Amino acid sequence: QSVLTQPPSASGTPGQRVTISCSGSNSYIGNNYLHWYQQLPGTAPKVLIYGNNQRPSGVPDRFSGSRSGTSASLAISGLRSEDEADYYCAAWDDSLSGWVFGGGTKLTVL
Amino acid sequence: QVQLQQSGPGLVKPSQTLSLTCAISGDSVSSNSASWNWIRQSPSRGLEWLGRTYYRSKWYNDYAVSVKSRITINPETPKNHFSLQLNSVTPEDTAVYYCASSLRYCTGGRCSEFFQHWGQGALVTVSS
Repeated sequence: QSVLTQPPSASGTPGQRVTISCSGSNSYIGNNYLHWYQQLPGTAPKVLIYGNNQRPSGVPDRFSGSRSGTSASLAISGLRSEDEADYYCAAWDDSLSGWVFGGGTKLTVL
Repeated sequence: QVQLQQSGPGLVKPSQTLSLTCAISGDSVSSNSASWNWIRQSPSRGLEWLGRTYYRSKWYNDYAVSVKSRITINPETPKNHFSLQLNSVTPEDTAVYYCASSLRYCTGGRCSEFFQHWGQGALVTVSS
């Protein structure tokens, strides 16, 4: 069981906006930055959002991150078929002195 | 551009040691702004960070609580790579193993890291 909680699945139709949530306790989300990773089938994860809401170069501005207290969200607007992937949140856990991941959310584009 | 190339056996017998290597190109294992991590992924455990090594005037290691008694991550500066050794493996250690570099950045007076580059991943099966 992951210490960061994500919904196991999400879905949307092309062009729609979808959000994926990530929640946890104060020791990791409240005190530290949260990052989002996208994993396409058969590939390694790739950073999508870092520092709660920063996009690395090359990531489309359709992807955005936000945080409020101990919860965070990834929003994808203008959904495309190529967005179908697994999405993971991650944060440093001060109490464990290690990285923790959410259980992942499988996004289906209908 | 940083590239990470993993190597190592895909099959390990129970109770033996799992050993993987991650070769770095485009950066140095002795970098003062990067950390070098091992992460694994399995259907039962999801993504699981195992540990890291990094250099900040001297070498440091951090390990996940779940594997702390069995894991060693070593940098090998002449070869510019780092390695993972996981002892006394069981079938529960069967997973896809990734090496990953995390970039340290600072903004607004706070510093953090994120996993910027990943190896290609390698399925390691623990079975007799």
